[in-house]
Amino acid sequence: AQKVTQAQTEISVVEKEDVTLDCVYETRDTTYYLFWYKQPPSGELVFLIRRNSFDEQNEISGRYSWNFQKSTSSFNFTITASQVVDSAVYFCALSEEGGYQKVTFGTGTKLQVIP
Amino acid sequence: SQTIHQWPATLVQPVGSPLSLECTVEGTSNPNLYWYRQAAGRGLQLLFYSVGIGQISSEVPQNLSASRPQDRQFILSSKKLLLSDSGFYLCAWRATALNTEAFFGQGTRLTVV
Repeated sequence: AQKVTQAQTEISVVEKEDVTLDCVYETRDTTYYLFWYKQPPSGELVFLIRRNSFDEQNEISGRYSWNFQKSTSSFNFTITASQVVDSAVYFCALSEEGGYQKVTFGTGTKLQVIP
Repeated sequence: SQTIHQWPATLVQPVGSPLSLECTVEGTSNPNLYWYRQAAGRGLQLLFYSVGIGQISSEVPQNLSASRPQDRQFILSSKKLLLSDSGFYLCAWRATALNTEAFFGQGTRLTVV
């Protein structure tokens, strides 16, 4: 069975600080996919990134970066120089290959960026 | 481009009343479709998924049901709502060919009173 754990329920940072959101996953598959989504106050989930299990290269997109480490089953998300617009709930998710491609979400981390 | 529509955006229903939430996808064929529920302050729980017309699988036993009468239409229903059915319901679609990301509708906030 697949499982995603986001141990940080809520995080508050002051604007311009860096913040890292943790994600730890469990799966028995050797091929799987990891995702991060952002849920702003409006409620809609916005896709941020997808990473497959064969690609451990870290990725940077503007102020966002992701650190994927299979050895520790972690897929952490860092926001550099946080801004008020980054305030949202962030979800990490996991999908195993094949079948109906069920996507399992973590419980989310609520990030509040204080001006 | 692909789009997903979900309605209504908000709904207040009395206990015991029926429910019908609709989700449609445009710009793609034979998508995998999903219904998720998000209770207040909590994560997303997968309720139903569908890999084709008339094919519905349930993840958790509950008071709700789902149907897929057309390829790109997914409906969430209940005959009699319970207070515990309150929450934020999200429909999502995903391409079947590759293990791609899921795309979500804007959600329906259901309050059962």
